[in-house]
Amino acid sequence: KAGVTQTPRYLIKTRGQQVTLSCSPISGHRSVSWYQQTPGQGLQFLFEYFSETQRNKGNFPGRFSGRQFSNSRSEMNVSTLELGDSALYLCASSTGAYTEAFFGQGTRLTVV
Amino acid sequence: GENVEQHPSTLSVQEGDSAVIKCTYSDSASNYFPWYKQELGKRPQLIIDIRSNVGEKKDQRIAVTLNKTAKHFSLHITETQPEDSAVYFCAASKSGTASKLTFGTGTRLQVTL
Repeated sequence: KAGVTQTPRYLIKTRGQQVTLSCSPISGHRSVSWYQQTPGQGLQFLFEYFSETQRNKGNFPGRFSGRQFSNSRSEMNVSTLELGDSALYLCASSTGAYTEAFFGQGTRLTVV
Repeated sequence: GENVEQHPSTLSVQEGDSAVIKCTYSDSASNYFPWYKQELGKRPQLIIDIRSNVGEKKDQRIAVTLNKTAKHFSLHITETQPEDSAVYFCAASKSGTASKLTFGTGTRLQVTL
């Protein structure tokens, strides 16, 4: 069974640009959550999508958005990039019920 | 919102000794508590989890205990091995699922020979 796949693995962007990250969950998983990991703030929840609907949202500005497609693949978009957005972005998939979440390898975003 | 505190931030033990990592949570409605292990450059991986209707759970050398009254839970690793060296994160969720997790700040465990 294939794991959670995130693309791309690495990205370098310039301040002010926008970026889109992709996450393909494990087959059959309908929930995809996104997290930002930084050395200073640790792992912080961004948002969760379940069956194409945003079900939960963390405390991030509106520049961070996401969506989920009918095949459960999810994308995360960050607009008007800031230096502080440099981080490892992880997605995690689960069935959405009482089961564990599986993380992808992450996308390391560097904003210069 | 939920807040999870984790201690210690670093822990060094000799091979074969036990390691204990503690977390406290603020929201009494939290009902799902997973622990993740993250090796350098790799993804977090679930090592054990516990739900609020259980006080203790064990899986070989790893155990987790939960005290709902005090709002804290702990990870216990016995007979530590060098491959246990990693960063460990505790987390809490109110939904009963792993969909929206609040993480602790992590504990870097170093197992020395």
